[in-house]
Formats: sequence, structure tokens, C-alpha cells
Amino acid sequence: AQTVTQSQPEMSVQEAETVTLSCTYDTSESDYYLFWYKQPPSRQMILVIRQEAYKQQNATENRFSVNFQKAAKSFSLKISDSQLGDAAMYFCARGSSNTGKLIFGQGTTLQVKP
Amino acid sequence: SAVISQKPSRDICQRGTSLTIQCQVDSQVTMMFWYRQQPGQSLTLIATANQGSEATYESGFVIDKFPISRPNLTFSTLTVSNMSPEDSSIYLCSVESLAGGPFNEQFFGPGTRLTVL
Repeated sequence: AQTVTQSQPEMSVQEAETVTLSCTYDTSESDYYLFWYKQPPSRQMILVIRQEAYKQQNATENRFSVNFQKAAKSFSLKISDSQLGDAAMYFCARGSSNTGKLIFGQGTTLQVKP
Repeated sequence: SAVISQKPSRDICQRGTSLTIQCQVDSQVTMMFWYRQQPGQSLTLIATANQGSEATYESGFVIDKFPISRPNLTFSTLTVSNMSPEDSSIYLCSVESLAGGPFNEQFFGPGTRLTVL
């Protein structure tokens, strides 16, 4: 099955601290892409970071970085120096290079405590 | 990135009626997608809206229930037909990035919150 699994329904972090959100996936494709999206209460889906599966180097976007372990099919998101505005639902997604379709994980609700 | 708008932003409908949701993009895009997000759940792909041809539906979704139009490269509609309370969800459209980069990045509209009584 082509699935994406987020095993942490909820996480919390103290403001200014670091938190890691987990994601594993399954695919039979050799060429694919991975994404983390953020969905605040406004429900707008915002792309946080993306990773091409053929790249070994982990993607970084300001305070957000990923730990991509291709053999283990793992794609975790690290948020450094957490801010109150980071509080949201975070979705991991895998994209097919052939069809463009995204398969989403179940989501992790992140709470940031002041 | 693309600017995507959806209409309506929310609606409350009666059982058995139909609602058409519009998705407008500020530039031409090849790929448009429609997703459903049930309360407290993740996003599930309904269909890929193809310009000039019929939409491609995912398993569990059928054209009679969710007819889709894609008259041009900037616009698409999704109709939720013969609604029941189980159709209460957020419906989101998305478009594939115009950047033409090596990966299929998608941008999402703000969503339509549908409540069926």
C-alpha cells in the first residue's frame, strides 16, 4: 500500500525549544517527493519544506529542517527555536513524480507553550 | 507561487441538495486537484481535474456524486451532489507549481467548509 504514517497525533513544545515530528511512508516508486505542510486554524495549507527523494542532502528552510532516511522510508521534520505561530496541524505528504498526486499522513497537532 | 481562490468559503446546505464549489487560479496551470478533509482528519484526494478531458477519480469517489468541470487552465468546479450529513467536510482545490521545478509542489486554495444538515 502507498501510505504515509504520522505516529504522533499530538506534540507540544516550549517556545524557543526544538521539536521533531515523525513521518514514515511506503512507496514502490523510485522517483518521488516528500513534503511537510502546515495547516493553522485558518485551514490554509502552507508548504513548509520539500525534499526530492533522489537528493541525499537534507532540505533546510530557515528554522525548519528534515531528516530524510531513504532506506528506512523516514522523513522527520525538525522545528528549531519554536514560535507561537508554529502552532498548527502538520501534515507529511508523499508526491508521485508520475501523476503529481499527493498522499497525506494523518497529521500531527503541534502545541507551542509560551 | 499561484494565488488560488475558492467560492464559497463556507455553506450550510440541506440534505438532498447539491453545491458547486469554484476554484480560480491567477495563472494557467496544468494540474488541478480536489481534496476532501473530513472533520479532524487528513486530506483525501477526490480527483484530478484535467483540462479538455474528464476528471480522473480516486477509488471511492464517483463522477455522479462529485462531478468536476475544467473548462480552461485557470478554473475548475467541484459539485457535491445529493448531499448527506456525511458529506460535511472541508473541500480544497490545489494546483501544481508553475515553477516547473524538478518536483511536484502543490499550492492549495483556502478551502470551502461545507455543513450538511
